[in-house]
Amino acid sequence: AQTVTQSQPEMSVQEAETVTLSCTYDTSESDYYLFWYKQPPSRQMILVIRQEAYKQQNATENRFSVNFQKAAKSFSLKISDSQLGDAAMYFCAYSLNRDDKIIFGKGTRLHILP
Amino acid sequence: GAGVSQSPSNKVTEKGKDVELRCDPISGHTALYWYRQRLGQGLEFLIYFQGNSAPDKSGLPSDRFSAERTGESVSTLTIQRTQQEDSAVYLCASSLAASGAGGELFFGEGSRLTVL
Repeated sequence: AQTVTQSQPEMSVQEAETVTLSCTYDTSESDYYLFWYKQPPSRQMILVIRQEAYKQQNATENRFSVNFQKAAKSFSLKISDSQLGDAAMYFCAYSLNRDDKIIFGKGTRLHILP
Repeated sequence: GAGVSQSPSNKVTEKGKDVELRCDPISGHTALYWYRQRLGQGLEFLIYFQGNSAPDKSGLPSDRFSAERTGESVSTLTIQRTQQEDSAVYLCASSLAASGAGGELFFGEGSRLTVL
């Protein structure tokens, strides 16, 4: 069974600094999608960034980028120039191409220190 | 509406009662998901609807849980004979495409269920 592991329950970063959130996953498949979702205190989850496993190039969305290491089954999220609005729970997630379930990790709570 | 709408936003019930949670997805979204999020935990997959295909019910934790969807519209998650361990936030999400095709999930704000 596929699993997603986020080993950092909480992290803190100084405003304007860079922080990296870790995620590892377990799968025997070669083609799949990986996601990072953000859940601010208001509760509504939003997509931050996604990566297709067959693409070697790391996905980037403005201040958010990923380090996708397929062989190591690692998918970390880097947030540059951290802002107060980045404070949230961040969930790493996985989905097979042929299976429409998205499996989520337990999340990392990110605190931004002013 | 503009986004995924869930109701009620908060529900307090007594152990043993039945509850219904409703989800209105974004118009035109063929895929609809239900997840459960216990306090401080990640999202636990419950059920997935895609168009007219048979739903994927593999995440439902017991036969007390059921869900229906009317076409590509409203979905209702029903929990019968509620137990205290059912207390959680129930999140609904919809998507224009199946997640396996890279489709982005749009989430509602959730229904917080408290079973006394």
